[in-house]
Amino acid sequence: DAKTTQPPSMDCAEGRAANLPCNHSTISGNEYVYWYRQIHSQGPQYIIHGLKNNETNEMASLIITEDRKSSTLILPHATLRDTAVYYCIVRANFGNEKLTFGTGTRLTIIP
Amino acid sequence: NAGVTQTPKFQVLKTGQSMTLQCAQDMNHEYMSWYRQDPGMGLRLIHYSVGAGITDQGEVPNGYNVSRSTTEDFPLRLLSAAPSQTSVYFCASRRDKHYEQYFGPGTRLTVT
Repeated sequence: DAKTTQPPSMDCAEGRAANLPCNHSTISGNEYVYWYRQIHSQGPQYIIHGLKNNETNEMASLIITEDRKSSTLILPHATLRDTAVYYCIVRANFGNEKLTFGTGTRLTIIP
Repeated sequence: NAGVTQTPKFQVLKTGQSMTLQCAQDMNHEYMSWYRQDPGMGLRLIHYSVGAGITDQGEVPNGYNVSRSTTEDFPLRLLSAAPSQTSVYFCASRRDKHYEQYFGPGTRLTVT
């Protein structure tokens, strides 16, 4: 699975859009971009995933660049409950179960 | 649906003791996995299963055993606990390889 690079921490004001970047320059054509988050001491929670098109669901939007070497997770109206560590993961949807979590981005929502 | 459940939430063991961490899911998912998370680190895969009766090793399997006799349950056994196994353990499940994983709330294990 390709390696990802994320900033270690970010702050965002409550009510504003939080934009979390991820670089995955070695991504291969069959690898998806997944985002999970982990709120303090809880199990990771799935947010969204995509292959090459932008995706949106009730939690967030995922913007993937045309060359697929980077992506941005957007939380449109951040709340205090969005404070968490956000993990960007790239993996193919076949093969073994290994989901490689890096150290992620610690997002803090400021009141 | 209860989703993925794990018991116990907390456990303290002495070195050399054995125990089983329980994991169950009620979503009829075929795939189940066990991860451990050490302070300040990401999750590391211990063992996984792609269906009842089928298990395989992840990246850190030593000291742990698993079995999958039913679709719902995927227990993790620590054979002889060591301080290096102090960690938070997460169980996860997914419908199949094309879908996202759902994680349980975790078991915090301390080995003294």
